[in-house]
Amino acid sequence: KAGVTQTPRYLIKTRGQQVTLSCSPISGHRSVSWYQQTPGQGLQFLFEYFSETQRNKGNFPGRFSGRQFSNSRSEMNVSTLELGDSALYLCASSPTGGANNEQFFGPGTRLTVL
Amino acid sequence: GDSVTQMEGPVTLSEEAFLTINCTYTATGYPSLFWYVQYPGEGLQLLLKATKADDKGSNKGFEATYRKETTSFHLEKGSVQVSDSAVYFCALSPSGGGNQFYFGTGTSLTVIP
Repeated sequence: KAGVTQTPRYLIKTRGQQVTLSCSPISGHRSVSWYQQTPGQGLQFLFEYFSETQRNKGNFPGRFSGRQFSNSRSEMNVSTLELGDSALYLCASSPTGGANNEQFFGPGTRLTVL
Repeated sequence: GDSVTQMEGPVTLSEEAFLTINCTYTATGYPSLFWYVQYPGEGLQLLLKATKADDKGSNKGFEATYRKETTSFHLEKGSVQVSDSAVYFCALSPSGGGNQFYFGTGTSLTVIP
């Protein structure tokens, strides 16, 4: 079974631009979660999608948004980029998103904002 | 709110040394607890998990026991190898459904030959 894939792996943008990141979950998984990883803040939860609906949301500004498609693939969008948005963005999938479910992580997208 | 507090790193050990990485949590109810490992340039991989009190998760020589009374989930390994060098994250998934994980800050482990 193929793992979680994320594209692109690396991105360089400038302040004020917007960016879209993509995540393809493991086949059959319906829950997709997004995390931001930075050296200072560690791993912070952005949001979770299940069956095309946002089910949980972390404490991030509205510039961060996402969506999920009927095939469970998910995209994350960041508008009006700021220097502080530079981070590794990780996507994770799980079968149903229940509390006992393991999350399977992708390799991440490294975003650099100049 | 729910949170995880993890031992600060970095940790440097000699090969075959004993490893303990402390993890305590704050949560209501009975969360599930996890240890994830991140190798350089890669995403996180599940190392082990425990879903109820007194459960012991184990994998690749690593162990952790879910202690409700001390709200802890410390990671241990009796004899570390160079290949264990990585960053280790403790995490919890709150009870009651949903899939929002709370992660500790990570502990970097370097094992020297």
